[in-house]
Amino acid sequence: SAVISQKPSRDICQRGTSLTIQCQVDSQVTMMFWYRQQPGQSLTLIATANQGSEATYESGFVIDKFPISRPNLTFSTLTVSNMSPEDSSIYLCSVDRTGLINYGYTFGSGTRLTVV
Amino acid sequence: AQSVTQLGSHVSVSEGALVLLRCNYSSSVPPYLFWYVQYPNQGLQLLLKYTTGATLVKGINGFEAEFKKSETSFHLTKPSAHMSDAAEYFCAVGGDTGRRALTFGSGTRLQVQP
Repeated sequence: SAVISQKPSRDICQRGTSLTIQCQVDSQVTMMFWYRQQPGQSLTLIATANQGSEATYESGFVIDKFPISRPNLTFSTLTVSNMSPEDSSIYLCSVDRTGLINYGYTFGSGTRLTVV
Repeated sequence: AQSVTQLGSHVSVSEGALVLLRCNYSSSVPPYLFWYVQYPNQGLQLLLKYTTGATLVKGINGFEAEFKKSETSFHLTKPSAHMSDAAEYFCAVGGDTGRRALTFGSGTRLQVQP
């Protein structure tokens, strides 16, 4: 089965600091996706991370605020920089497993971030 | 570009009643369509998906959805609601080769009354 290990599962951080979230996938994938889910909201795509190239960011998200690394085909990190309370959200990584029977896009368990 | 509209942010049904959660999509390419469920303080779980082939798709926990191209819809149904079905449900669209990520609807919170 396709598995994504995401950590940390939750954190409480001081404003102005940064947090790096890690996602490890159990098999090689070309693309990894990072989403944000604000309290009571749906999922919004932050960026698409391709191995060997810079991440592609969605409108409203910038690299200086959400730098992403993709050092190999099974791992990626998202950093939330210079945090403010407005960054309090759940952050999720995802990969496309639609080609597998009974699979869609698989998601990590999420990182619940609270900024105080 | 692809988009998803979920009609009704909150749906309440009685236990044993029919569940109907509405999803309409917009896509310039043949879509891949998904329904996910999110229980409180938990991650996203795939209920079912449509990629190609049979338009009536059966998923887990007794849910099913029908892809209707003419109506650009992918509504989720379950004949008889259980208390354990209370959760947030998200419809999502993918399949655009120019943007490989999923686009999610705003979600529908399902309440099941005893």
